[in-house]
Amino acid sequence: DTGVSQDPRHKITKRGQNVTFRCDPISEHNRLYWYRQTLGQGPEFLTYFQNEAQLEKSRLLSDRFSAERPKGSFSTLEIQRTEQGDSAMYLCASSVQGEGYGYTFGSGTRLTVV
Amino acid sequence: DAKTTQPPSMDCAEGRAANLPCNHSTISGNEYVYWYRQIHSQGPQYIIHGLKNNETNEMASLIITEDRKSSTLILPHATLRDTAVYYCIVRVVRNNNDMRFGAGTRLTVKP
Repeated sequence: DTGVSQDPRHKITKRGQNVTFRCDPISEHNRLYWYRQTLGQGPEFLTYFQNEAQLEKSRLLSDRFSAERPKGSFSTLEIQRTEQGDSAMYLCASSVQGEGYGYTFGSGTRLTVV
Repeated sequence: DAKTTQPPSMDCAEGRAANLPCNHSTISGNEYVYWYRQIHSQGPQYIIHGLKNNETNEMASLIITEDRKSSTLILPHATLRDTAVYYCIVRVVRNNNDMRFGAGTRLTVKP
């Protein structure tokens, strides 16, 4: 297992365009999380899935954001009509269910909206 | 949700122990303490977690006070590669499994 993979690593887009990021979790992990991180801040929780079900969404996840995990494996995060404020690192993590387990994070997708 | 307080930055000499404190005075009885670190331009990396007892693994030791209101992460022999932001997190008490990160402590290991 190669860990959590995120694609692309970097994305530059023009304001108003739509972007989609992909996350491939560790295969035996049934939980998948999306975070956003801006410069100098800790990661902020966006949403998480247990298998294919999206169980929680942060208030940070505006209507322009949508996340899916259709078969309980990989996940996509789409941002529609991007704004400059969306520029950030988008991190994906996965874990097994349970209190005593840590998350495994990917290296993130750095989005720059110009 | 229990909050954590960490110093914004710390320095440590290479080869010495790095002791990173975390205050979580409002922690509930069934909340775990987790530590992660984030090296520049990478995703956070899980280090260790504990509930009541002290814990040790190949990366670090976690010392939790008896009243559980604070903890210390110990890197026994810090190296330059341990320079990173270290996050102390207390798990929210829900059925959900989300970790809430604060600003963390920026540890700089100096030669």
